[in-house]
Amino acid sequence: DIQMTQSPSSLSASVGDRVTITCQASQDISNYLNWYQQKPGKAPKLLIYDASNLETGVPSRFSGSGSGTDFTFTISSLQPEDIAIYYCQQYDNLPLTFGGGTKVEIK
Amino acid sequence: EVQLVESGGGLVQPGGSLKLSCAASGFTLSGSAMHWVRQASGEGLEWVGRIKSKANSYATAYAASVKGRFTISRDDSKNTAYLQMNSLKTEDTAVYYCTRLVGSSFAFDIWGQGTMVTVSS
Repeated sequence: DIQMTQSPSSLSASVGDRVTITCQASQDISNYLNWYQQKPGKAPKLLIYDASNLETGVPSRFSGSGSGTDFTFTISSLQPEDIAIYYCQQYDNLPLTFGGGTKVEIK
Repeated sequence: EVQLVESGGGLVQPGGSLKLSCAASGFTLSGSAMHWVRQASGEGLEWVGRIKSKANSYATAYAASVKGRFTISRDDSKNTAYLQMNSLKTEDTAVYYCTRLVGSSFAFDIWGQGTMVTVSS
């Protein structure tokens, strides 16, 4: 199975800050990586697909980059509504696997 | 409105069975691969399994943790997918989500609200 390692597991930042989350795959997954946002008590929501493509309707302050084994997810200017847990997910191979999640809080 | 609605969750004893349903509305489920993902309380997301479309022979695949105990099926005429869970264990306790995989991007673009399954004596 492909292991997805996310870091940090949690972070606290101020409104307007730039926030960066990393996701490392245990093997080369090309750009077969998605990012999701999950708010408390809600289902995950797709933000980024194919490592760097913004899902329709998602604010442009969200972005993703990377390929191979190392990926980055960025919020360019943190907003109060961005408080959530963020997950990466690979689809290079079954079983599909998710990173452990990064909890983003407001300082 | 495009949505998925799960039902069928509840409390079941270890060793018991439960069948979850995932009804689609606002779109036709038949052309999509449908997946199930679960989340134990306070934990991350775990992929459970998937069923492909008729064009892909309704092929199924499962996580090792549920293989041989869980079965995914679908009834395209009812626009519904199912997760049959047998020989349930306490570690299967979780919120279960059904989700649609977008073929063009291989991402989960539509999610249900989730249904809670509790396995306990």
